[in-house]
Amino acid sequence: DGGITQSPKYLFRKEGQNVTLSCEQNLNHDAMYWYRQDPGQGLRLIYYSQIVNDFQKGDIAEGYSVSREKKESFPLTVTSAQKNPTAFYLCATSLRQQGSPLHFGNGTRLTVT
Amino acid sequence: KQEVTQIPAALSVPEGENLVLNCSFTDSAIYNLQWFRQDPGKGLTSLLLIQSSQREQTSGRLNASLDKSSGRSTLYIAASQPGDSATYLCAGQTSGSRLTFGEGTQLTVNP
Repeated sequence: DGGITQSPKYLFRKEGQNVTLSCEQNLNHDAMYWYRQDPGQGLRLIYYSQIVNDFQKGDIAEGYSVSREKKESFPLTVTSAQKNPTAFYLCATSLRQQGSPLHFGNGTRLTVT
Repeated sequence: KQEVTQIPAALSVPEGENLVLNCSFTDSAIYNLQWFRQDPGKGLTSLLLIQSSQREQTSGRLNASLDKSSGRSTLYIAASQPGDSATYLCAGQTSGSRLTFGEGTQLTVNP
């Protein structure tokens, strides 16, 4: 069954701790993305990767880090430098070709207290 | 920088009504415009994608149009059903593979 798996669904952390969100895909897509969604707002791009071992900052990369060591995996680390980490985080994938649709995972809701 | 706006922010209609959701964008040099559905607490499901060379796309009761010259896209839902209740987001793709999202329209279809 092809798809995008984000885990865990809910994550709770204390302020000052780093936390890593998992995103795994078996769609054989080259491009992967991380978005953040806050209540009543659209999605904002954090980081994206179009090929293994390469990634670019999106619009709100400060306080986040990523790695792309395997095609199937694109983990996102929320560091203690992120001022407002509580949010809904969505991972997406697509083919590299211009105009290819995005496919999304079911998201991870992170709460930092 | 691309900006995407969706109006209205929320819409409540009785079952069976036809409705239109609006999306406007500032950069007409888009590659495509994509419409998504999001259920509460869930990820996004792609509904329709309109390439810049196309004027509209249809899937079942859904029809999406694209007018690059005016910077507008509409999503038409025919004969709405309670199961259509969700948040609908549009997103425009410009440079690279990046999408810029609108804030969404929260739709409620009342039985």
